[in-house]
Amino acid sequence: GAGVSQSPSNKVTEKGKDVELRCDPISGHTALYWYRQRLGQGLEFLIYFQGNSAPDKSGLPSDRFSAERTGESVSTLTIQRTQQEDSAVYLCASSLAGLAGGWADTQYFGPGTRLTVL
Amino acid sequence: EDQVTQSPEALRLQEGESSSLNCSYTVSGLRGLFWYRQDPGKGPEFLFTLYSAGEEKEKERLKATLTKKESFLHITAPKPEDSATYLCAVQARGSQGNLIFGKGTKLSVKP
Repeated sequence: GAGVSQSPSNKVTEKGKDVELRCDPISGHTALYWYRQRLGQGLEFLIYFQGNSAPDKSGLPSDRFSAERTGESVSTLTIQRTQQEDSAVYLCASSLAGLAGGWADTQYFGPGTRLTVL
Repeated sequence: EDQVTQSPEALRLQEGESSSLNCSYTVSGLRGLFWYRQDPGKGPEFLFTLYSAGEEKEKERLKATLTKKESFLHITAPKPEDSATYLCAVQARGSQGNLIFGKGTKLSVKP
């Protein structure tokens, strides 16, 4: 079946511009996660959605970052006024139940969006 | 603070030379420990979930084990196609369900 998809696969932008990254989760997965992977660093958690609700947004690096999700479907991560330190691979993952399931259910990752800020 | 440390950072093996990758963790209550494989330019690919100390899981040439402080990924008779970065992650009780990742071990298997 179809896995998690992300678009665009690559994005090059100029410092100060806004960018929007998209994630399509596996159909039927209620939980969705965004992570950031900087070169040479481990994956860094950004935000979690249970359905279309994000209970805690404290993982977002700054108020330039925002995210939303439509129902239990597509999610977009928006970065306003991009900075060079925002350059990274942004990964999206989905899981069947998230915290609602009561167990550590498997997160399946998309291929990522490589963001380069010049 | 919850954290995950993987060692070694890089490992070079000859084809057929078995070895182990280490993942040490400190977490305020473990809900699950995950192993992923990541190829260059791709997202992490799920391998295993371990839930409690003493648990073991196997898949082809890979075997994952778990203690109260660390996990090992044993690779038996590796092949060049096993070359990848292997990531370890934990999910803590009381978290949002997010995974805390180590920096990974980059494995190269030469023919």
